[in-house]
Amino acid sequence: AQKITQTQPGMFVQEKEAVTLDCTYDTSDPSYGLFWYKQPSSGEMIFLIYQGSYDQQNATEGRYSLNFQKARKSANLVISASQLGDSAMYFCAMEGYQKVTFGTGTKLQVIP
Amino acid sequence: DTGVSQDPRHKITKRGQNVTFRCDPISEHNRLYWYRQTLGQGPEFLTYFQNEAQLEKSRLLSDRFSAERPKGSFSTLEIQRTEQGDSAMYLCASTSRDRDTDTQYFGPGTRLTVL
Repeated sequence: AQKITQTQPGMFVQEKEAVTLDCTYDTSDPSYGLFWYKQPSSGEMIFLIYQGSYDQQNATEGRYSLNFQKARKSANLVISASQLGDSAMYFCAMEGYQKVTFGTGTKLQVIP
Repeated sequence: DTGVSQDPRHKITKRGQNVTFRCDPISEHNRLYWYRQTLGQGPEFLTYFQNEAQLEKSRLLSDRFSAERPKGSFSTLEIQRTEQGDSAMYLCASTSRDRDTDTQYFGPGTRLTVL
């Protein structure tokens, strides 16, 4: 069975500051992928970043980086230089064998 | 716009009625997923197709739910005898193999309200 845990229902961050959104996972699959998605109030799911379980380096995509600690089963998202447009729900997700599991999400609010 | 389209965007129906939703994935994507999302929750996996074959079904998908993907292109999700608990956003995603994995591109969703 797969499980994703996001323990922060809501977070606040000052504009231009960095913020870390936590994600821990559990799986018995030897190979898996970890994703982060952004869901603004408009509802669409926007892919942000991906990390494979065998990737040696942490993934980065612009202002997004994924802090992958395999032994601790964590895949935290780091957003640098927060912008007002970053205010949204953020979901961590894991893809195992033919199944994708999402966490309950973290609502991020960026304060001017 | 990710290139994945869903129709209709909104559906209001009375309890007991049947509803059908359609998803058109990105044309070169061979994998298609259906999810259900209720308010304040993350998407819940329902089912998954590779081409026309339905490879995985969640236990959330009761006998009232059926999904098809004839010819491996668009997909339909039908809910029979709708119940108020079926009210949710139904999301479709298709995948492109990128960096040895599947980045999922989501459609805008169909919001179902069962009265």
